Amino acid sequence: NAGVTQTPKFQVLKTGQSMTLQCAQDMNHEYMSWYRQDPGMGLRLIHYSVGAGITDQGEVPNGYNVSRSTTEDFPLRLLSAAPSQTSVYFCASSSGAGVSYEQYFGPGTRLTVT
Amino acid sequence: GQQLNQSPQSMFIQEGEDVSMNCTSSSIFNTWLWYKQEPGEGPVLLIALYKAGELTSNGRLTAQFGITRKDSFLNISASIPSDVGIYFCAGRGSSNTGKLIFGQGTTLQVKP
Repeated sequence: NAGVTQTPKFQVLKTGQSMTLQCAQDMNHEYMSWYRQDPGMGLRLIHYSVGAGITDQGEVPNGYNVSRSTTEDFPLRLLSAAPSQTSVYFCASSSGAGVSYEQYFGPGTRLTVT
Repeated sequence: GQQLNQSPQSMFIQEGEDVSMNCTSSSIFNTWLWYKQEPGEGPVLLIALYKAGELTSNGRLTAQFGITRKDSFLNISASIPSDVGIYFCAGRGSSNTGKLIFGQGTTLQVKP
């Protein structure tokens, strides 16, 4: 059981480039989400999904796209990278129902946009 | 929208001291979670609380779900150097989607 995995661990992009951050979980969790973490601002929700084929916007969705074609995977796409998107990105998952709303986090992707 | 205020922002304490931190909300939450994040890692779940008034322990950590459902507390007893990290509270409101709101975090440093 690998839990939540994220790739890559580090990435440097030039302004205007696009890329996809990968996230996968092997716990058969319905709920998955993407957060960004910036100093002094805690974790801010970018996008989330309550199941395959269903996604919704979080607090800071601009400049990011997501899709959920399978239960296991939830990639985050940066369409045209900007320096303001320099951050640490975390993917998380939970069963999202019943008694368990406990979210489990991946190790993070550290992104720098120059 | 719902917001969480977490305090204090940072703490610098001596090894062996007890630590208290809390989160408050302007609206009611149905679930409170406490996470710890170590440098270079993702947050790790410490304690989950699901009922108002609930008091739960995990080793030297104790957390409580406030009776008003608008606050939660985390206490660490007899701190040790490996307690260093950022502690986050997270709350779930009335939504059944699993969506969480996170506090800004409390950075804990422990002097040996």
